[in-house]
Amino acid sequence: GAVVSQHPSRVICKSGTSVKIECRSLDFQATTMFWYRQFPKQSLMLMATSNEGSKATYEQGVEKDKFLINHASLTLSTLTVTSAHPEDSSFYICSAPLTSGGAGETQYFGPGTRLLVL
Amino acid sequence: GENVEQHPSTLSVQEGDSAVIKCTYSDSASNYFPWYKQELGKGPQLIIDIRSNVGEKKDQRIAVTLNKTAKHFSLHITETQPEDSAVYFCAASYTGGFKTIFGAGTRLFVKA
Repeated sequence: GAVVSQHPSRVICKSGTSVKIECRSLDFQATTMFWYRQFPKQSLMLMATSNEGSKATYEQGVEKDKFLINHASLTLSTLTVTSAHPEDSSFYICSAPLTSGGAGETQYFGPGTRLLVL
Repeated sequence: GENVEQHPSTLSVQEGDSAVIKCTYSDSASNYFPWYKQELGKGPQLIIDIRSNVGEKKDQRIAVTLNKTAKHFSLHITETQPEDSAVYFCAASYTGGFKTIFGAGTRLFVKA
């Protein structure tokens, strides 16, 4: 199956700093990637859709200036949590569809990044 | 808007027994239904999926059934093993759509 990697797997940072999370499709190209946030014992909450070469589409209630998304190539999307605060602590997961069909195709998830903001 | 309901939220079975998780969806345009298994601290892993032109699909101990009329789909795990313990998510989407809608998840415990 397709492999999606994320880096780092976990990060601890001080309040006010920015953190960048990378999502890579290792053996396939992805014009679209998705970023999710997951709180303990809860489901996946879609934050935004990352589009290669264009602006990301954010879900309602997600601050685009807070969560900067860049999809600079067909295999890499980055999520930057700017001026992080303790309430941003969470498990962040990305996914990418194997084909170019978007959400109607099989999504392959990265292993997740656990962010802890002190 | 689109919604996927998943039941039960928690399921505890004895090793060797079967486990069934049920989901319903609201968007009649949905035609793709994947199931994911998420172990603690890891990302979800696709375990099986079904498309709307098929009523049932099986892969070893795992099977999924789909009732388009009732907008129901279910995951069946037979001969459960302790390593099946995880959180399982159902999801629904449609070809060309922009979102995959996830259920709330079912925490499965398989007791040895």
